Amino acid sequence: NAGVTQTPKFRVLKTGQSMTLLCAQDMNHEYMYWYRQDPGMGLRLIHYSVGEGTTAKGEVPDGYNVSRLKKQNFLLGLESAAPSQTSVYFCASSYSYRDTGELFFGEGSRLTVL
Amino acid sequence: TQLLEQSPQFLSIQEGENLTVYCNSSSVFSSLQWYRQEPGEGPVLLVTVVTGGEVKKLKRLTFQFGDARKDSSLHITAAQPGDTGLYLCSGSEKLVFGKGTKLTVNP
Repeated sequence: NAGVTQTPKFRVLKTGQSMTLLCAQDMNHEYMYWYRQDPGMGLRLIHYSVGEGTTAKGEVPDGYNVSRLKKQNFLLGLESAAPSQTSVYFCASSYSYRDTGELFFGEGSRLTVL
Repeated sequence: TQLLEQSPQFLSIQEGENLTVYCNSSSVFSSLQWYRQEPGEGPVLLVTVVTGGEVKKLKRLTFQFGDARKDSSLHITAAQPGDTGLYLCSGSEKLVFGKGTKLTVNP
């Protein structure tokens, strides 16, 4: 019963390098989200998707790009990593969006940018 | 922007004590959720409250949604070390989260 799986779980980058975080869900959910979590800041929404082929900006989208080519996958890309992007990244999915939909989270991906 | 303010930010208590944490906003939410997050894991949903004034109980945890649907509280009775974690509230619109209350229950 995998739920939401994130890869990789840990990554260290140098400033200016690029990378992609992969999120996969096996619950046939329409909606997927990427959050970042920093100490004292809670969870902040980066980008989200309401269905295959669609993406939208969240609260803190700058420096990130996303793609949802397949319903089960949601990719988060950093084209030129900066130390300010050091954080723990969480992917989530949900069956419904605007009302009482429960978010199912992955275990997180810890990214350090030197 | 709909903001959720959680208080206190940190709480350290002894096993067996009772506690209440709060989630407040100036905005009205159609529903509000509480999640618990343990170290190294993602948040897990505890409850969703929908109706103003609603009270839901989950074993020793009691959740209340304010009459005006702008605030919520979580009360834990006889806290146990297993309750230790980060408690997050979330409003359904805009997928907003509060900054959380980090609870430590000491044996």
